[in-house]
Amino acid sequence: EVQLVESGGGLVQPGGSLRLSCAASGFSFSTNWMHWVRQAPGEGLVWVSRIKSDGSITTYADSVKGRFTISRDNAKNTLYLQMNGLRAEDTAVYYCARDIDLSMWGQGTLVTVAS
Amino acid sequence: DIVMTQSPDSLAVSLGERATINCKSSQSVLYSSNNRNYLAWFQQRPGQPPKLLIYWTSSRASGVPDRFSGSGSGTDFTLTISSLQAEDVAVYYCHQYYATPYTFGQGTKLEIK
Repeated sequence: EVQLVESGGGLVQPGGSLRLSCAASGFSFSTNWMHWVRQAPGEGLVWVSRIKSDGSITTYADSVKGRFTISRDNAKNTLYLQMNGLRAEDTAVYYCARDIDLSMWGQGTLVTVAS
Repeated sequence: DIVMTQSPDSLAVSLGERATINCKSSQSVLYSSNNRNYLAWFQQRPGQPPKLLIYWTSSRASGVPDRFSGSGSGTDFTLTISSLQAEDVAVYYCHQYYATPYTFGQGTKLEIK
């Protein structure tokens, strides 16, 4: 089955860290650009970051630059998002998505930043 | 950043009637070297992740019913649902992937009248 499954979300205090994972299956993960997109409760979609198929290019939204790091392990078919210096405004469901046109999404993992 | 503005914010349409959602980008998303508009549409039903409906402005994603169509070029785009079905109740987003940071419209909530 072709799917993306996110994990690693949870409750974290402001200033804390969290690492999200996105496990891919059913397609050639190593040939696809991958993205993270987030959605705050009741709000719209916000693109967060992308990484090229071989990991050689990464790009970030200004709101997370310097705090978040996207990476991938093509041998494990897994995408990651290391999130440091978390803020209340980072509270959201985080989705991983595939390809330039975000053709496929996971179910998302909820990150809550609160004391 | 390219700002995507959708209209209307919400829309109520009778079953079987046409629904039209507009999207305007603050700058062109047409890439001249391949003559493609880097514009997509997503549907998000309550409690679900977004689902790609339309890419390259007018290409339907796999499995998407042909009542969904996209049109436009440059800065002005439209998503049309030709005959509204009950399962089309959702929030619809336009999205540009022409330049980073990739951006989305604010969303249009579609309901049954």
